[in-house]
Amino acid sequence: NAGVTQTPKFQVLKTGQSMTLQCAQDMNHEYMSWYRQDPGMGLRLIHYSVGAGITDQGEVPNGYNVSRSTTEDFPLRLLSAAPSQTSVYFCASSYEGTSGSSTGELFFGEGSRLTVL
Amino acid sequence: DQQVKQNSPSLSVQEGRISILNCDYTNSMFDYFLWYKKYPAEGPTFLISISSIKDKNEDGRFTVFLNKSAKHLSLHIVPSQPGDSAVYFCAARYSYDKVIFGPGTSLSVIP
Repeated sequence: NAGVTQTPKFQVLKTGQSMTLQCAQDMNHEYMSWYRQDPGMGLRLIHYSVGAGITDQGEVPNGYNVSRSTTEDFPLRLLSAAPSQTSVYFCASSYEGTSGSSTGELFFGEGSRLTVL
Repeated sequence: DQQVKQNSPSLSVQEGRISILNCDYTNSMFDYFLWYKKYPAEGPTFLISISSIKDKNEDGRFTVFLNKSAKHLSLHIVPSQPGDSAVYFCAARYSYDKVIFGPGTSLSVIP
């Protein structure tokens, strides 16, 4: 029972490099999102998606791109990495039940630690 | 401007006593409030939630109280155990949409 899988777990980049953080879920969840965790800032929402083909910006979207071509996958792209993007990134998913049965519970991956030099 | 606030960065409690973690929010459009627990080097895990139409929800040792007029919620843990030591995040959800988190409170339960 894999749940939400993030790769890679660790990554070091140089300023200006690009990369993609991968996120996959096997629970057939409609909702997926990306957060970054920084000391004293909690978890800040980067981008989210309520279904395949639909994405929207969160609180801190600048410098990141997302796409949702399938229900299972929600990759996060850093276009030109900056030291300010050094952080721990978490992917999360959630189901949307019928008749208001969803409680908004998010299922998180284990995180990807990114360092930009 | 933070929509979900946790004004206490840390809290220490003796084992067996009650832990009370507080959270304030600014947006009346939230329909669900949630608490998550996080250990170092792990992803957050869901603890308990409450609908905006309720004022209390209980699950074992964990109870969440919601005061909508004050835009305030709290998580009570009774009795506190050393294994409860973790960072606790308060979160709020817009109706079937994005979930916003607070900055977290680090709880230490002292044996």
